Amino acid sequence: DMKVTQMPRYLIKRMGENVLLECGQDMSHETMYWYRQDPGLGLQLIYISYDVDSNSEGDIPKGYRVSRKKREHFSLILDSAKTNQTSVYFCASSPGGYYAEQFFGPGTRLTVL
Amino acid sequence: QQKVQQSPESLIVPEGGMASLNCTSSDRNVDYFWWYRQHSGKSPKMLMSIFSNGEKEEGRFTVHLNKASLHTSLHIRDSQPSDSALYLCAAIYNQGKLIFGQGTKLSIKP
Repeated sequence: DMKVTQMPRYLIKRMGENVLLECGQDMSHETMYWYRQDPGLGLQLIYISYDVDSNSEGDIPKGYRVSRKKREHFSLILDSAKTNQTSVYFCASSPGGYYAEQFFGPGTRLTVL
Repeated sequence: QQKVQQSPESLIVPEGGMASLNCTSSDRNVDYFWWYRQHSGKSPKMLMSIFSNGEKEEGRFTVHLNKASLHTSLHIRDSQPSDSALYLCAAIYNQGKLIFGQGTKLSIKP
């Protein structure tokens, strides 16, 4: 059963704390993505990874960094989280670049107090 | 800067009726459009894609594309309560960029 997993599903952090969001996929997809979703703003691309150690900034990379050391895992890191990073974060994977269908994980709801 | 605009922001359709959702790109260099559906509290799932001018039908869902006007539309006939969801349009640009619109919230009233 092909799937994208995200951990944790819910997270509450205080401002200034570090945050690690993890994403896994079992489809051997080359491309993986991190998005955030806020009401009325759709999905905003934070980072895209084309393969291991091949990452590119999306539209809103400021305040975030990523790590991809294995094809099946893609991490999103917030160093010193800010209250405006409260959001729902989605990870996705696809078998190619943008022209291929993206498969989304269940999302992580992050609250920064 | 490229933008994808969806309209209306929200839409209420009676059960059995036709829902029509719109999506327009601000940039002419668009190659492809995706439509995703996201039920409340769930993740987006791909519904349909279109890259050629014209129409594509899959069951109760029809997508139109007019490349000259940079406009795509999604039509759902015989709408069901299970069609109530946020519908997201995404445009893929030939510079290798993907932009999502802000979504249309569709509610089907029994």
